[in-house]
Amino acid sequence: SAVISQKPSRDICQRGTSLTIQCQVDSQVTMMFWYRQQPGQSLTLIATANQGSEATYESGFVIDKFPISRPNLTFSTLTVSNMSPEDSSIYLCSVEGDIYGYTFGSGTRLTVV
Amino acid sequence: GQQLNQSPQSMFIQEGEDVSMNCTSSSIFNTWLWYKQDPGEGPVLLIALYKAGELTSNGRLTAQFGITRKDSFLNISASIPSDVGIYFCAGQRGRLYFGRGTQLTVWP
Repeated sequence: SAVISQKPSRDICQRGTSLTIQCQVDSQVTMMFWYRQQPGQSLTLIATANQGSEATYESGFVIDKFPISRPNLTFSTLTVSNMSPEDSSIYLCSVEGDIYGYTFGSGTRLTVV
Repeated sequence: GQQLNQSPQSMFIQEGEDVSMNCTSSSIFNTWLWYKQDPGEGPVLLIALYKAGELTSNGRLTAQFGITRKDSFLNISASIPSDVGIYFCAGQRGRLYFGRGTQLTVWP
């Protein structure tokens, strides 16, 4: 299965600022997925990113707040914009494996103060 | 979105005991997946199920894809301390939908 490197692993940010999270995959993949996991909660899909097209956002998530880039088949970024304490979560990227389900990065633990 | 009802929410067991958790949904899924998440890590795939009625094992783990395609269970036999973590079920229909997780604590 694919190996995903996600950076940063954690960060503490001031409210009102933005943080860009990077996700690098060791193989070419068509779709990449970004999830949010709030403290003690399950995973919620933010958006699906295809290379060369606009990301598709789930209900409750908007591009202005969570802009996504997908410049090639191995890389994507998620930006959390104009952060507030409610954005404190773990953010995870994921790709669909060819056989063995979906693989996840190790996540970015974001704390907004 | 689709609701996956995962139970129990938490379990406290003694080392050596067997564990059972399950997921149910009002919707049909094409694939059921079971993940484990350790603190500070992303979820790691344990078992993938692709056919209704399928029973699959991975070491001490056994999972089944319900015949109605609306449910799945995961069993862990002879639990050990490193089984501690959060277990998530996920159903796939186009995209993944996750259960709320089962927090497993194993006492030595």
